[in-house]
Amino acid sequence: NAGVMQNPRHLVRRRGQEARLRCSPMKGHSHVYWYRQLPEEGLKFMVYLQKENIIDESGMPKERFSAEFPKEGPSILRIQQVVRGDSAAYFCASSPEQGVIRETQYFGPGTRLLVL
Amino acid sequence: GESVGLHLPTLSVQEGDNSIINCAYSNSASDYFIWYKQESGKGPQFIIDIRSNMDKRQGQRVTVLLNKTVKHLSLQIAATQPGDSAVYFCAERYNNNDMRFGAGTRLTVKP
Repeated sequence: NAGVMQNPRHLVRRRGQEARLRCSPMKGHSHVYWYRQLPEEGLKFMVYLQKENIIDESGMPKERFSAEFPKEGPSILRIQQVVRGDSAAYFCASSPEQGVIRETQYFGPGTRLLVL
Repeated sequence: GESVGLHLPTLSVQEGDNSIINCAYSNSASDYFIWYKQESGKGPQFIIDIRSNMDKRQGQRVTVLLNKTVKHLSLQIAATQPGDSAVYFCAERYNNNDMRFGAGTRLTVKP
């Protein structure tokens, strides 16, 4: 039973390029969350998605960042025109749902983005 | 305790000793709490959870205590081992859906 999978694990981009981060949730999980983590800091919520729907994007920067979770395939976090300040670890988590309450989130190994 | 600053609180213990990591949560309406362990270069790993109708829950070598009166959560690790060295952080759930994560405490185990 595979856990949450993320790829790539490491991504290097030059300023102005695009970064695409992928997340496959655990089997049976219908909720995906994206978090950003800077060194020595906690997780910062970015976006919460269900299949084909963005439920909460209150943590997403207004520009350059977008996320999707299509009916088929992984969830994608897309960062356009990357800047050095985007360098961070980006974690994806997934959870099942019981009723209307979201249960424990399980995290992937993260993608470490470095913008040169 | 927790910090949102640039430097994580640290706890250094001797191998074999017990460790206690603390967390002050923010919302008195939070009903579910989780402790995560994050090793260097890895994603957060679920350790143990507790619901607000409980005061204590035990796992393998770990115990979580919840004091709702002062909004305090603690993680106790018995017989700490070098492999326990990591950043530990708590998470609280409120409004049935929203999770908030603390910055964490760095635990270092000296051999």
